[in-house]
Amino acid sequence: AQTVTQSQPEMSVQEAETVTLSCTYDTSENNYYLFWYKQPPSRQMILVIRQEAYKQQNATENRFSVNFQKAAKSFSLKISDSQLGDTAMYFCAFMKQEYGNKLVFGAGTILRVKS
Amino acid sequence: KAGVTQTPRYLIKTRGQQVTLSCSPISGHRSVSWYQQTPGQGLQFLFEYFSETQRNKGNFPGRFSGRQFSNSRSEMNVSTLELGDSALYLCASSSGGLSGANVLTFGAGSRLTVL
Repeated sequence: AQTVTQSQPEMSVQEAETVTLSCTYDTSENNYYLFWYKQPPSRQMILVIRQEAYKQQNATENRFSVNFQKAAKSFSLKISDSQLGDTAMYFCAFMKQEYGNKLVFGAGTILRVKS
Repeated sequence: KAGVTQTPRYLIKTRGQQVTLSCSPISGHRSVSWYQQTPGQGLQFLFEYFSETQRNKGNFPGRFSGRQFSNSRSEMNVSTLELGDSALYLCASSSGGLSGANVLTFGAGSRLTVL
């Protein structure tokens, strides 16, 4: 079974600064996908970024980028130029390839961006 | 393009009752998956339906069931409600193919309170 661990329950960052959220996972699979989802106070889950395990290049989406270390089973999210709207719960999630749409989520990290 | 629609958004039930939640996926999406979110257990996968067939199932008791209709709309049912079933129930839809990283689009959730 796969497990996803987010070791930082809460984090805070000043507006315009950079913050990194940590995620580690455990799996015996070789082909899988990793995701970061954001859940703001409205409770709507929103995809932030995704990474295919077979791709060595780290995914980037505007101010969001990941550091994917497959051997270490680590998948951290870096948010640059933090904005107040980034305040949310961030979930790291794992999906096996060719197994349908079952996401295994971490416990989440609450990120607060301060002005 | 309309998003994933979940109804009802909020509901209150008493122990022993049953409840049915509905999810209308994005047009063209054939996969619908359900997740339970609680403060104690976090986000847990309930089940996934693809083309009217259950493709994956999580570790929940038989009181939790679901189905998918030919138009891809899905319902989940919880019978004999317990206090511990109080949660935010999230539905997510995707194209559902087994190749490629399926991006799940989530609905706003149905908040169930069991008294």
